[in-house]
Amino acid sequence: EPEVTQTPSHQVTQMGQEVILRCVPISNHLYFYWYRQILGQKVEFLVSFYNNEISEKSEIFDDQFSVERPDGSNFTLKIRSTKLEDSAMYFCANFGTAPGEQYFGPGTRLTVT
Amino acid sequence: DAKTTQPNSMESNEEEPVHLPCNHSTISGTDYIHWYRQLPSQGPEYVIHGLTSNVNNRMASLAIAEDRKSSTLILHRATLRDAAVYYCILIGGSNYKLTFGKGTLLTVNP
Repeated sequence: EPEVTQTPSHQVTQMGQEVILRCVPISNHLYFYWYRQILGQKVEFLVSFYNNEISEKSEIFDDQFSVERPDGSNFTLKIRSTKLEDSAMYFCANFGTAPGEQYFGPGTRLTVT
Repeated sequence: DAKTTQPNSMESNEEEPVHLPCNHSTISGTDYIHWYRQLPSQGPEYVIHGLTSNVNNRMASLAIAEDRKSSTLILHRATLRDAAVYYCILIGGSNYKLTFGKGTLLTVNP
C-alpha cells in the first residue's frame, strides 16, 4: 500500500524560530495537503497545493506559513516565526485515486516552547 | 461546506457489527460521502466513500439513504483495532479538501 512519510516525527523549537516540516508524498499524486491537529481538538485544513501552487488555504495559513516542493518530490511546510499556539500535530496528505481519498502521513509533532 | 452530524460516541463489543450513523441533510447533488477514521496517536485513515449507491470494501460497507440525507458506516465484525474516532465528511468541488468535525468515538469492548 502506498505510504506518505514525514520528518521529523517530533520537533521542539523555541518561540520565534523557523521550522520546516518535511513530507515525502506518494509519487504521481497531484494534490498535496497540510492539516494540523492541536492536542484534543479536531483536524484542521491548512493548505492545498496543486500543480506547484497553492490552490486553497485556510484562515490559519497566514503569512507565517509557506509551502514548497523544492525538488519535485518532497513537500515542505515552513513556519517562519513560531508561536506557542503553533504547537500541534502536522499531517501531510496526498490525493489518492478517487475524489478526496487522501493518504495521510504519520504526522510531525511540533512543540513550541 | 455541507455539514454532517454524528453521535459523539458509540460502544460495541468485539466481533459484533457496528453501525455508525451520519446525517447530512444539506448535501448537494455532487457531494461525495467519505468516511475516515483516526486511531489513537495516528493520522487520519481513509475508510470508504460513495456517491449514491451502497459501497463495500475490505474495511467496511457504506449504506447511503435513497435521498442521500444520511448514511451509515458498517463495520461487519468490530475488532479492538477498530477503536477510533470515525469522521463522516462531505466532499464537493475540485479541491477535495477534508473538513473534519468532531466525529464519533467508537469504543470496542473485548
